[in-house]
Amino acid sequence: LAKTTQPISMDSYEGQEVNITCSHNNIATNDYITWYQQFPSQGPRFIIQGYKTKVTNEVASLFIPADRKSSTLSLPRVSLSDTAVYYCLVGDGGTALIFGKGTTLSVSS
Amino acid sequence: GAVVSQHPSWVICKSGTSVKIECRSLDFQATTMFWYRQFPKQSLMLMATSNEGSKATYEQGVEKDKFLINHASLTLSTLTVTSAHPEDSSFYICSASENRGRFEQYFGPGTRLTVT
Repeated sequence: LAKTTQPISMDSYEGQEVNITCSHNNIATNDYITWYQQFPSQGPRFIIQGYKTKVTNEVASLFIPADRKSSTLSLPRVSLSDTAVYYCLVGDGGTALIFGKGTTLSVSS
Repeated sequence: GAVVSQHPSWVICKSGTSVKIECRSLDFQATTMFWYRQFPKQSLMLMATSNEGSKATYEQGVEKDKFLINHASLTLSTLTVTSAHPEDSSFYICSASENRGRFEQYFGPGTRLTVT
């Protein structure tokens, strides 16, 4: 059973900011929150990881509220190449990640 | 970041034969590797957890005699699909964790298996 819940799909246009929210009500104290991106016929690619508050890297930001029961991945100014499936996962790194259905993001021009 | 490779990237085999898929961590040591299977338009499904030097732990419903996993070194895990059947055709993905103060798991590029 997946530990996370995300919207099945989202649509956006190029240049817009996209926010994908994930629920993980039963997150454990040792768990980190990690987001991956997957293109068809490729392995998942790491986007960003966080434990609490806000994390930002060159491609995305991750917002985590104090209770850590949810998180929001923010993709600034998406492009067509950001069309992919995005997975939110929680875990401590040493144990297997259980994938939910992910969010299919479609970016149009 | 750390790199995980898989070989082959795709393979076609005849029904009844066996095929081996390799997963390597190229620039780090991975005490634990994971094997997933992904069918078209579906999410990744965990098959087994592979620990170096010990027997793999299989998820419920995964036949351990059919999907043989060997983790002989800290950089190599192999998945052998024995007596393959067309329903075993899928995308097989491995991942490895570099648990040195970081909790990322790095995924391989996947192996497309087609059984005819």
